[in-house]
Amino acid sequence: GQSLEQPSEVTAVEGAIVQINCTYQTSGFYGLSWYQQHDGGAPTFLSYNALDGLEETGRFSSFLSRSDSYGYLLLQELQMKDSASYFCAAPNQAGTALIFGKGTTLSVSS
Amino acid sequence: ETGVTQTPRHLVMGMTNKKSLKCEQHLGHNAMYWYKQSAKKPLELMFVYSLEERVENNSVPSRFSPECPNSSHLFLHLHTLQPEDSALYLCASSRPGLGDSGNTIYFGEGSWLTVV
Repeated sequence: GQSLEQPSEVTAVEGAIVQINCTYQTSGFYGLSWYQQHDGGAPTFLSYNALDGLEETGRFSSFLSRSDSYGYLLLQELQMKDSASYFCAAPNQAGTALIFGKGTTLSVSS
Repeated sequence: ETGVTQTPRHLVMGMTNKKSLKCEQHLGHNAMYWYKQSAKKPLELMFVYSLEERVENNSVPSRFSPECPNSSHLFLHLHTLQPEDSALYLCASSRPGLGDSGNTIYFGEGSWLTVV
């Protein structure tokens, strides 16, 4: 089977830094993706890690450790608009579809 | 605007009705997907089409019937649904082969379905 585990909720204040962790169990592994979904909206792609290490895209960074089956999404200089659900995802064994974690709801307060 | 358009955005149907959800992508992709999103459950994969052939059917009840007439269009035909089928149904598209580095899927805004 294949599963991705992430915390259900995280809260933070504006300007802070928050890290959302994801651990995965997969039969085969290609890489880890992160998606953001605002209430009532479509999940949108944030980042992808195929290799170990840190990928930085503006205020958002994503990290992967294949040996630990672990990754995280790091959000810096939090803004109110970052309040959303964040999903980690990985391709299934056949590489035909993405399997998603249950999502982490981030609430940013002023 | 994500390049993936779903209609209708909201649908209320009775358990004896037959309805269809429609998805159209304008991204030139060859793979299309249906996912179901319920409260407190992750995005659940339902069906995958690659190059207009169904490659995944994730143990979905037969009251859900997908159709992919061409690489730009995907339908989900619904009949004799149950109230527990009420959820957000998301369509997505991508290039085939998600094992390739950096290949990602693009979602539509979803169709909110309520079964009464």
